[in-house]
Amino acid sequence: NAGVTQTPKFQVLKTGQSMTLQCAQDMNHNSMYWYRQDPGMGLRLIYYSASEGTTDKGEVPNGYNVSRLNKREFSLRLESAAPSQTSVYFCASGGVMNTEAFFGQGTRLTVV
Amino acid sequence: TQLLEQSPQFLSIQEGENLTVYCNSSSVFSSLQWYRQEPGEGPVLLVTVVTGGEVKKLKRLTFQFGDARKDSSLHITAAQPGDTGLYLCAGGANFGNEKLTFGTGTRLTIIP
Repeated sequence: NAGVTQTPKFQVLKTGQSMTLQCAQDMNHNSMYWYRQDPGMGLRLIYYSASEGTTDKGEVPNGYNVSRLNKREFSLRLESAAPSQTSVYFCASGGVMNTEAFFGQGTRLTVV
Repeated sequence: TQLLEQSPQFLSIQEGENLTVYCNSSSVFSSLQWYRQEPGEGPVLLVTVVTGGEVKKLKRLTFQFGDARKDSSLHITAAQPGDTGLYLCAGGANFGNEKLTFGTGTRLTIIP
């Protein structure tokens, strides 16, 4: 079972460049999430999608946009990357009504 | 923003010792989950607690949900090197709005 698949696994961007992180899940979950993880900060929610076509801001949405085009896929876009966005990004699905949230393996992004 | 504070942030102990990790908030959660994260991987669910005062055991790990559903603890008996990792608590945000909020994390190292 693939579960949650994120691409790419590693990326280096120059300040001001744009990119899209892709995420797909095959578990038929309605809810999907994007988190960033920085040293000593745990996981901080960037954006959340409760269902296809809906998105909500999380704790740290500034500088990001998301798109939930269908039930499987939830993408995260950085329009103009900044060094402060250097982080490890995790996509997750599920995690509602006391159920397990499943995570991708993460994307390590460095902005120089 | 609902904050989940974990303590300690770092813990390094000898194999065979016992330890307790805490997860505290000023907010009430409908459920509380504990995840463990290995380097280079996404978090993986250990347990979910949903009832105030609930205690769950998973081999040498004991999880407790506070009576007021604002806090939780994880106790490990006779720690093993395989317990090494980042432990994250996560709370269901509001009743009917189940965005997962993660704690700040406890990095545990068990020394052989």
